Amino acid sequence: EPEVTQTPSHQVTQMGQEVILRCVPISNHLYFYWYRQILGQKVEFLVSFYNNEISEKSEIFDDQFSVERPDGSNFTLKIRSTKLEDSAMYFCASNEGGGNQPQHFGDGTRLSIL
Amino acid sequence: QQQVKQSPQSLIVQKGGISIINCAYENTAFDYFPWYQQFPGKGPALLIAIRPDVSEKKEGRFTISFNKSAKQFSLHIMDSQPGDSATYFCAASITRGAGSYQLTFGKGTKLSVIP
Repeated sequence: EPEVTQTPSHQVTQMGQEVILRCVPISNHLYFYWYRQILGQKVEFLVSFYNNEISEKSEIFDDQFSVERPDGSNFTLKIRSTKLEDSAMYFCASNEGGGNQPQHFGDGTRLSIL
Repeated sequence: QQQVKQSPQSLIVQKGGISIINCAYENTAFDYFPWYQQFPGKGPALLIAIRPDVSEKKEGRFTISFNKSAKQFSLHIMDSQPGDSATYFCAASITRGAGSYQLTFGKGTKLSVIP
C-alpha cells in the first residue's frame, strides 16, 4: 500500500537555526498538509497546500514557517530561526482530489530544538 | 467553537471486552468525523469515518455511533484485542465536499487491552 514518507525521523537543531522537514506524499495525491504534535498534546493543523499554493493555514503557521513543493515528488516544511517551543512531532499528510478523500499520514519527524 | 473534546484520556479493557471512546463538538458546520489509530513511533492511521447523515457506521469490530442533536460521536471496539492497544484520536472537519480540509483533533485516548 502506498505510504507518505517523511525524512528525517529525528532532527536535532540549535535554537535560531533553520530546519527543513521533508515529505514524499502518495504519488497520485493532490492535497498536502502539515500537522504538529507537541509532546503530550493533541495533533494540530498547520497548513494545507494545493496546486502550488497554500489553501489554508492556522494561527500557528506564522512568518517563520514556509512550505514548498520543489519538484514533482517532495513537499517540504521550512522553519526559519527555530525556537525552543518548535520542538514537536511534525506529521505530513496527503489525500486525493475528488471531494472528501481521507488524509493519509506519514510517521512524522521528531524535531528537537536545543 | 473549533474544539473537539475527547474522553477518557486513558482506558484499560480486558481482552474480549468492549472499548468505548467518546467525543463531543460544538461547531455544527463540521461534516466529517474520522477516527485515527496511532501506534508508538507511527503516524495516525485512519480507522473509520462517518458523516452526519447517518447515525452509525460499522466496519468489522469497529463502530462509530453519531448523535447529531447531542453533537457527540463515539467509537466502539468490540471483542477488544491486545493488538488494539494504541492511542485513538477522534477528529472533525468542515469539508463542504472540497478536496482540501483541515482536521481538528481530540486530545487522544490511550487504550490498553490486557490479556
